[in-house]
Amino acid sequence: NAGVTQTPKFQVLKTGQSMTLQCAQDMNHEYMSWYRQDPGMGLRLIHYSVGAGITDQGEVPNGYNVSRSTTEDFPLRLLSAAPSQTSVYFCASSYSNLGLVPGELFFGEGSRLTVL
Amino acid sequence: AQKVTQAQTEISVVEKEDVTLDCVYETRDTTYYLFWYKQPPSGELVFLIRRNSFDEQNEISGRYSWNFQKSTSSFNFTITASQVVDSAVYFCALRRGNTGKLIFGQGTTLQVKP
Repeated sequence: NAGVTQTPKFQVLKTGQSMTLQCAQDMNHEYMSWYRQDPGMGLRLIHYSVGAGITDQGEVPNGYNVSRSTTEDFPLRLLSAAPSQTSVYFCASSYSNLGLVPGELFFGEGSRLTVL
Repeated sequence: AQKVTQAQTEISVVEKEDVTLDCVYETRDTTYYLFWYKQPPSGELVFLIRRNSFDEQNEISGRYSWNFQKSTSSFNFTITASQVVDSAVYFCALRRGNTGKLIFGQGTTLQVKP
């Protein structure tokens, strides 16, 4: 079982470059989300989606875009990378949301991004 | 506003000691869900437990136990007879009942020394 797959695992960017972090899940989960993890800050929610065609902002959305055209995929786009976006990014999904008893989040392995 | 506070940044214990990780949350919702996750040095995030706001029953799973007290808005995690393999970062998290947003605390780094 693949679960939640993130690519790439490592990436180095220069300031101003753009890139997309890919996230795919094969569990038919409705809910998907992106977090960033920084030392001493825990995991902070960037964007999330409760289903195909629906996205919303989390705690730290600035500088990031998302879309959810299919249930399986939830890419995270950095349009103009900045050094402050150097972080480890995690994609996560779960099987239910919106008032139903939420399942636990299944996390990808993380993507380490460095912006020079 | 929702908030999760893990006041203990780092804890160091000697193997076989008991250790409690504190978690205090803030929410105005009546329906919410609390979680604990473990992040070992390898970096992956591992689900440990989910607790609903309408179920204050404490839970024990092997050496792990959780104490949920709505009166103090706390959801503390105790490891009994700690082992070196318990060394990890532990996160407490809060999820509202009517949205998908899961908010994490800052995490507690637990070091268990042999």
